[in-house]
Amino acid sequence: GENVEQHPSTLSVQEGDSAVIKCTYSDSASNYFPWYKQELGKGPQLIIDIRSNVGEKKDQRIAVTLNKTAKHFSLHITETQPEDSAVYFCAANFASGGSYIPTFGRGTSLIVHP
Amino acid sequence: GAGVSQSPRYKVAKRGQDVALRCDPISGHVSLFWYQQALGQGPEFLTYFQNEAQLDKSGLPSDRFFAERPEGSVSTLKIQRTQQEDSAVYLCASSLPAGAYNEQFFGPGTRLTVL
Repeated sequence: GENVEQHPSTLSVQEGDSAVIKCTYSDSASNYFPWYKQELGKGPQLIIDIRSNVGEKKDQRIAVTLNKTAKHFSLHITETQPEDSAVYFCAANFASGGSYIPTFGRGTSLIVHP
Repeated sequence: GAGVSQSPRYKVAKRGQDVALRCDPISGHVSLFWYQQALGQGPEFLTYFQNEAQLDKSGLPSDRFFAERPEGSVSTLKIQRTQQEDSAVYLCASSLPAGAYNEQFFGPGTRLTVL
């Protein structure tokens, strides 16, 4: 199966700084890489995703990059705000029994200090 | 419209008891997933349904875990003879047919504590 490593486990930044979270995956057949934000007491919510045929994708203050050769992908948040504080998970989809199952990283707790 | 809902939100069970966790997916969503999230970890896949068919149950940790979706909408995850290691948040997610790129919508989870 797929193995996804995520770093760092905790990230503390000042409001307005940038934050970068990095993930690596093992299955070269993975073709879809979503990122989720999970706030306390809630389920994960998709914030951005990238497909394997794209190297970079941006959505306002959030961007994701993918390096298929190195099998790693990263989340970049610019101009961080206190409401960005949450746990962020990367994931990589792999095919299993006719479906596509995401394997999640262990999460990064982002703390944005006002 | 309404998102994915789960009940109960919190469940405390004594070791050895059976529990049943319910998931109401978004109306019209064909695919339904169950995940187990231990404290400080990412969600781990348990099982997947397309309509009423359970297409993948490779993530269920033991034969004490059983899931069903008899009418292709509401799903129940049942854990028999609960053990302390079963303590976790159980997340349900739904999506349109589980193609390679379909977004999964998660419920708030059920936090299970086994004493």
